[in-house]
Amino acid sequence: DGGITQSPKYLFRKEGQNVTLSCEQNLNHDAMYWYRQDPGQGLRLIYYSQIVNDFQKGDIAEGYSVSREKKESFPLTVTSAQKNPTAFYLCASMLRGAGTEAFFGQGTRLTVV
Amino acid sequence: GDSVTQMEGPVTLSEEAFLTINCTYTATGYPSLFWYVQYPGEGLQLLLKATKADDKGSNKGFEATYRKETTSFHLEKGSVQVSDSAVYFCALLLQTGANNLFFGTGTRLTVIP
Repeated sequence: DGGITQSPKYLFRKEGQNVTLSCEQNLNHDAMYWYRQDPGQGLRLIYYSQIVNDFQKGDIAEGYSVSREKKESFPLTVTSAQKNPTAFYLCASMLRGAGTEAFFGQGTRLTVV
Repeated sequence: GDSVTQMEGPVTLSEEAFLTINCTYTATGYPSLFWYVQYPGEGLQLLLKATKADDKGSNKGFEATYRKETTSFHLEKGSVQVSDSAVYFCALLLQTGANNLFFGTGTRLTVIP
């Protein structure tokens, strides 16, 4: 079955360590997105990519980095420069075109201790 | 700029009550409009969508009509159930632009028996 997979579901890291969150999709979607969600809050856009080898900063890109070497994969690295990394991270993908909906992964809950 | 504004929550209703969650938008061109639902600890799922003015999206008893004259896409359900308790997000997709997907801040709905 086609879908979008985030792993792991829960992730614990020590302060000061970089950590990479995985996002893979087999839907043949061009566009992929990373969002951060804090408790009781909405979605905030971190990075997005419309095509392979190209990506753009969203509203809160500081302290994060991404790559898009393959169409299927859009990993997010949370660096030590991110001051408050504990949050729920959501990855999404979609086809480019009018009326197409975004498909979301199940999310990764990152806790930094 | 392009944006989505939705009703502040939280909303608490008794089972079988009528639900309305307001959503208005600001957009250039002719966006597609969506409602997504997020259950605790999960990603977002598409609930319904509408791609042009006067279209009505519907699913699982929920409905929303694309009103271009009032730039609105209010979510309604005639009789809510406990299982409808979740966070609901309104979203718009522009036809053009690098970052063309915008979400509202989400409205938490709790239905009590």
